[in-house]
Amino acid sequence: AQTVTQSQPEMSVQEAETVTLSCTYDTSENNYYLFWYKQPPSRQMILVIRQEAYKQQNATENRFSVNFQKAAKSFSLKISDSQLGDTAMYFCAFRFHAGNQFYFGTGTSLTVIP
Amino acid sequence: DAMVIQNPRYQVTQFGKPVTLSCSQTLNHNVMYWYQQKSSQAPKLLFHYYDKDFNNEADTPDNFQSRRPNTSFCFLDIRSPGLGDAAMYLCATSDGQGIPSPLHFGNGTRLTVT
Repeated sequence: AQTVTQSQPEMSVQEAETVTLSCTYDTSENNYYLFWYKQPPSRQMILVIRQEAYKQQNATENRFSVNFQKAAKSFSLKISDSQLGDTAMYFCAFRFHAGNQFYFGTGTSLTVIP
Repeated sequence: DAMVIQNPRYQVTQFGKPVTLSCSQTLNHNVMYWYQQKSSQAPKLLFHYYDKDFNNEADTPDNFQSRRPNTSFCFLDIRSPGLGDAAMYLCATSDGQGIPSPLHFGNGTRLTVT
């Protein structure tokens, strides 16, 4: 199985502040896809943002952006202007271009403090 | 809205008593997945279907089986549940054609084994 590492089991951030969640992965492939998923307490896991490895530009979705460093195999998620509704588990996921398996990191539990 | 639906949300079964979890989708995606997620852990892929082709992960116990009678439905059968099988079971879909799509998750079924 593919290795995806999230080194921060828990993080907290003050409301309206910015927080960065880290993710690293290990692959020898050149073409793949990276994702961040959000899983609120007792709720459905939903996609936050995705990045294609062949794209140099970092993906952005409103308050969420990534810092994709391909050479370093790093894929961090930045949440700006944190809101209480951002409190959730965040999972980093990897998918090869070929094949259908998605591999997940162990997650980071983010708490936004009012 | 197109979605992934899992039933039931909560399932209680006895040790050794077979149980079936169900998943349906209206997204018309050709790939369906079953993940097992234990508390504070990453979702672990059990198996997936690409159309009718079944793909088992190497470390998925034989106790876990799956059926996909048509595009819309997929079932997870646990033949003889043990206490260690208590977990959240997540069904997900993706569009396996063209540019790889992200996973779309259901709400999950939380299985308790007594």
